[in-house]
Amino acid sequence: QKEVEQNSGPLSVPEGAIASLNCTYSDRGSQSFFWYRQYSGKSPELIMSIYSNGDKEDGRFTAQLNKASQYVSLLIRDSQPSDSATYLCAASGGAGSYQLTFGKGTKLSVIP
Amino acid sequence: EAEVAQSPRYKITEKSQAVAFWCDPISGHATLYWYRQILGQGPELLVQFQDESVVDDSQLPKDRFSAERLKGVDSTLKIQPAELGDSAMYLCASSFGLMNTEAFFGQGTRLTVV
Repeated sequence: QKEVEQNSGPLSVPEGAIASLNCTYSDRGSQSFFWYRQYSGKSPELIMSIYSNGDKEDGRFTAQLNKASQYVSLLIRDSQPSDSATYLCAASGGAGSYQLTFGKGTKLSVIP
Repeated sequence: EAEVAQSPRYKITEKSQAVAFWCDPISGHATLYWYRQILGQGPELLVQFQDESVVDDSQLPKDRFSAERLKGVDSTLKIQPAELGDSAMYLCASSFGLMNTEAFFGQGTRLTVV
C-alpha cells in the first residue's frame, strides 16, 4: 500500500514569513507529485505539480522534489492570512498502480 | 472555466437507506476518481475509472458501495445500505489521463447518515 506522510501540524507562521511544508512517500516508483490547498469545508484545489527532481516556482509557491530521499516540499513565500488552510501532498504512479494517493494534510495558520 | 460537477452538494439520509452521488468530469478527461474524506483526514481513494473501465477499486467496500461509469463520461457512486460511519465528504476528481496529469476536484457531496 503506497503511503504519503505529512506532519499534521498545525504549523503557525507570522504574516510575511516563509511557510515550509514537507511530505515523504513510500513508493520509490512514484512519478508525479502534487500539492493541494483545502479550505475548511471545501474541496481540494490544485496549486502545484512537480514531476522531476529540483525546484519548480509559481508565484509565491515553490515545490521541491528529491526522488532519492523520497521527499517533496512546498515553500510559501510572503505568507498571507488567506494562505491559512490545510495543504495536502499527493503522489501517483509506481508499483504498477495509477492511484493518486494523498497524505493526511498539514494545517497552516498564518498569523496577522 | 471547465470544472467537475457533483450533485447533490449535501445529503442527509437515514441509516439502512440507499444514497447515490453523481459526478460529471471536465470534458475530455478520461480518468475519473471517487474519494471519501473524513473530517481531519486526507482523501481516501474509493474507485478510479479510465473511460468506462475500473482501474482500481481495491479500497471500495464492495458489500455496500458500487460505482459505474457506463458511457465513460459521467459517473454514479451508490451506497446501500448507508451506515453511520459513512458520514463524510465524497469527492469526485478527473484528469486527462492516468499518468503525469493533474487531477481537479468537484465541490464534493457532504453526506450525513442519521
